[in-house]
Amino acid sequence: EVELVESGGGLAQPGGSLRLSCAASGFTFGSYDMNWVRQAPGKGLEWVSCISSSVGSSRSYADSVKGRFTISRDNAKNSLYLQLNSLRAEDTAVYYCARTNYQLPGFYSYMDVWGKGTTVTVSS
Amino acid sequence: DIQMTQSPSSLSASVGDRVTITCRASQSIGSYLNWYQQKAGKAPKLLIHSASSLQSGVPSRFSGSGSGTDFALAISSLQPEDFATYFCQQGSNAPYTFGQGTKLEIK
Repeated sequence: EVELVESGGGLAQPGGSLRLSCAASGFTFGSYDMNWVRQAPGKGLEWVSCISSSVGSSRSYADSVKGRFTISRDNAKNSLYLQLNSLRAEDTAVYYCARTNYQLPGFYSYMDVWGKGTTVTVSS
Repeated sequence: DIQMTQSPSSLSASVGDRVTITCRASQSIGSYLNWYQQKAGKAPKLLIHSASSLQSGVPSRFSGSGSGTDFALAISSLQPEDFATYFCQQGSNAPYTFGQGTKLEIK
């Protein structure tokens, strides 16, 4: 069964750090681009970051997290990570990892597998 | 960044109704448009990708249309399990922005 399981969420103080993990199973993790998407309480979905499958792994970030969050992956461990630094109250959210898949031709991208999420709360 | 605007923000309908949710992009995104369903406390679920391609396992009462800047998600005959929040998302350029969501409620 294809599955993504997030962990590492919790309570952090403003200015603090957390490291989120996402464990993948049931598919060839190293062949897929991966994403982090978050959802603040009662709000909509916000794409946070993505990382490519390729060696050298290109990365993209939302402006709201650029310079504070770092996405990474370890294909040998079938794991995706998000390092959250300089946390702010507005980073409080459920963080989901999601797999990117593509429809060819055209390389239409979409997120077809999602984890259940891990909750990050930033508060003093 | 590409802005995605959904309408309406909320919608009341009855079982058996046909409903349509629209999504507009701030610039042309071709067919790089996806639709997700989210139920309370759950992760989003992919319904439609590439504007009109039904994801495997999704009932055929769901359909997507549009290209360029204007898109629509239609549900042909609402079932009780369809009452949820729906999001569009553009897959054209990072940041891969979502619409603000449409909450579909039982009338």
